[in-house]
Amino acid sequence: KNEVEQSPQNLTAQEGEFITINCSYSVGISALHWLQQHPGGGIVSLFMLSSGKKKHGRLIATINIQEKHSSLHITASHPRDSAVYICAVSHPYSGGGADGLTFGKGTHLIIQP
Amino acid sequence: NAGVTQTPKFRVLKTGQSMTLLCAQDMNHEYMYWYRQDPGMGLRLIHYSVGEGTTAKGEVPDGYNVSRLKKQNFLLGLESAAPSQTSVYFCASSRLAGGEGETQYFGPGTRLLVL
Repeated sequence: KNEVEQSPQNLTAQEGEFITINCSYSVGISALHWLQQHPGGGIVSLFMLSSGKKKHGRLIATINIQEKHSSLHITASHPRDSAVYICAVSHPYSGGGADGLTFGKGTHLIIQP
Repeated sequence: NAGVTQTPKFRVLKTGQSMTLLCAQDMNHEYMYWYRQDPGMGLRLIHYSVGEGTTAKGEVPDGYNVSRLKKQNFLLGLESAAPSQTSVYFCASSRLAGGEGETQYFGPGTRLLVL
């Protein structure tokens, strides 16, 4: 079973700061997902990546397959970025095994004005 | 498109009662999933379905049953609710298998309290 570890668990920062959230996993994957969960509870997919780097607005996600590590960066952070950020991994299809995602416990981010 | 919807949004049950959670998606996705989210833990897969008429067990299936009679609906049943099933339940769907690195779309969640 893949173990997905996120750090930090909690992060409080000031508006405008550069934010980094880290994710590491133990077993080879087909893709890594970054998800955002707002205080209302809804979960939204931010990125899915299997190599390199992706950027969407102020969010940047990188992955290093050899080191089994990914980072999510937020530039020019804003209070509306306050949420729980969740890392999850997809496994190569095992033809009958659990086929969902394996999730980290999440990083609770608070951006103060 | 509504995406993925869940019914109900919140429910309180007494120990031993039964209930069914409904998940519906309008994206014609083959794959559907039920997860539970508990404090201090990541989401965990309960059951999943790879197409109409199919279901399979996930990581924490005990105490739950599922059915996928129609492609757009995935039902999660609790036959005899227990306090340990107090949780937030999320349904998700995807076009392809999770193992193919496909994005999953999540419903808004159902908060269940079992007394």
